[in-house]
Amino acid sequence: DQQVKQNSPSLSVQEGRISILNCDYTNSMFDYFLWYKKYPAEGPTFLISISSIKDKNEDGRFTVFLNKSAKHLSLHIVPSQPGDSAVYFCAASVEDYKLSFGAGTTVTVRA
Amino acid sequence: NAGVTQTPKFRVLKTGQSMTLLCAQDMNHEYMYWYRQDPGMGLRLIHYSVGEGTTAKGEVPDGYNVSRLKKQNFLLGLESAAPSQTSVYFCASSYSASLAGHSYNEQFFGPGTRLTVL
Repeated sequence: DQQVKQNSPSLSVQEGRISILNCDYTNSMFDYFLWYKKYPAEGPTFLISISSIKDKNEDGRFTVFLNKSAKHLSLHIVPSQPGDSAVYFCAASVEDYKLSFGAGTTVTVRA
Repeated sequence: NAGVTQTPKFRVLKTGQSMTLLCAQDMNHEYMYWYRQDPGMGLRLIHYSVGEGTTAKGEVPDGYNVSRLKKQNFLLGLESAAPSQTSVYFCASSYSASLAGHSYNEQFFGPGTRLTVL
């Protein structure tokens, strides 16, 4: 029973355009949300996070939006670059140290 | 500073064989984790440890055992491998969020071990 869901397994976007990745969750107790990025044959690396008391967090080209009432968050990448081609995992935390992950979305940035 | 390392990178086992995956971290992290990644399932927590000498079950612990005899090492054991354990295994480590000065748990991952059980 996955508590964090990424319903789009893949996303293709043209270089320079916006990439929007979506994530839904079912556990209303989650208090922190994180996005991880993963290249082939490597482990995931932390990208950006947001607390449940905020609705937006921005870091350079990456912005995460949180809609608590809809139990939905999204990651915006603007502008998309070829190096952004990777698998993106949404994760959520209800305790200090345990994370629940979504299934991932594969992003392909076309030149 | 190597971060999180995993040994081996690849392994093929026959059903019923046993093996141990080794995870080492040099960041002095208190917490360590073992995940498995399967297509369409994301990362699922197998076991975790909140300190030397402690272990706890995660979401999918059956068929696996772990040990944390030293703070920097976390071992994952398969006593009798089954084809359903074919997967990519990731180890991760982290500080306690409060010790790190923030409230979220940034976990640092190793490069993974690809295990195939025939």
